[in-house]
Amino acid sequence: QSALTQPPSASGSPGQSVTISCTGTSSDVGGYKYVSWYQQHPGKAPQLMIYEVSKRPSGVPDRFSGSKSGNTASLTVSGLQAEDEADYYCSSYGGSNNVVFGGGTKLTVL
Amino acid sequence: EVQLLESGGGLVQPGGSLRLSCAASGFTFSSYAMSWVRQAPGKGLEWVSVIGDSGGNTYYGDSVKGRFTISRDNSKNTLYLQMNSLRAEDTAVYYCTKVFVFLWFGGFDPWGRGALVTVSS
Repeated sequence: QSALTQPPSASGSPGQSVTISCTGTSSDVGGYKYVSWYQQHPGKAPQLMIYEVSKRPSGVPDRFSGSKSGNTASLTVSGLQAEDEADYYCSSYGGSNNVVFGGGTKLTVL
Repeated sequence: EVQLLESGGGLVQPGGSLRLSCAASGFTFSSYAMSWVRQAPGKGLEWVSVIGDSGGNTYYGDSVKGRFTISRDNSKNTLYLQMNSLRAEDTAVYYCTKVFVFLWFGGFDPWGRGALVTVSS
């Protein structure tokens, strides 16, 4: 199972919005509603930010939103803040009892 | 507060074995599926394995299938990962994580701090 494709980097100024894409195939992202997004600060464990494409766990700011169109999922961070600077990973159910992750996107707040 | 604490990491020679443990607290351990996810140094996340709440169902990523075994002891609130025939490419931080929703592939949270496994001669 190939990894999902994410841009290596993204950036935005404080207060702006930035969108990170996650491209898979009809066998993973396009075929299921089980796309998740994780935030990872340097040296820390990942944290779930979005699950089932667009749902936010309790405690995650509503500045974070998720969506999907065809084989591509997206994470949008609105009203960028300095603390949003981190690595972001998408994941998807890939069928056959397998989960696949994206390569990660480093988000820089300018 | 949910806490997951991994232990058992370290340096092992290629072909060797290692067992990771994950002590869970702050939730009803026996009610949740649990998973291992790893991250090679400077690389992205890779799903390793998952086990159902009762231990009856286990699934593995292709890169570890046949070499790693996931298990759990609900009486001890502990998750395990037995790693055999280790290779250099297994070098990574191994995270223990709780399945977030009913379906095990719906997301993982929270995560432990991780245990570093280094495979080298």
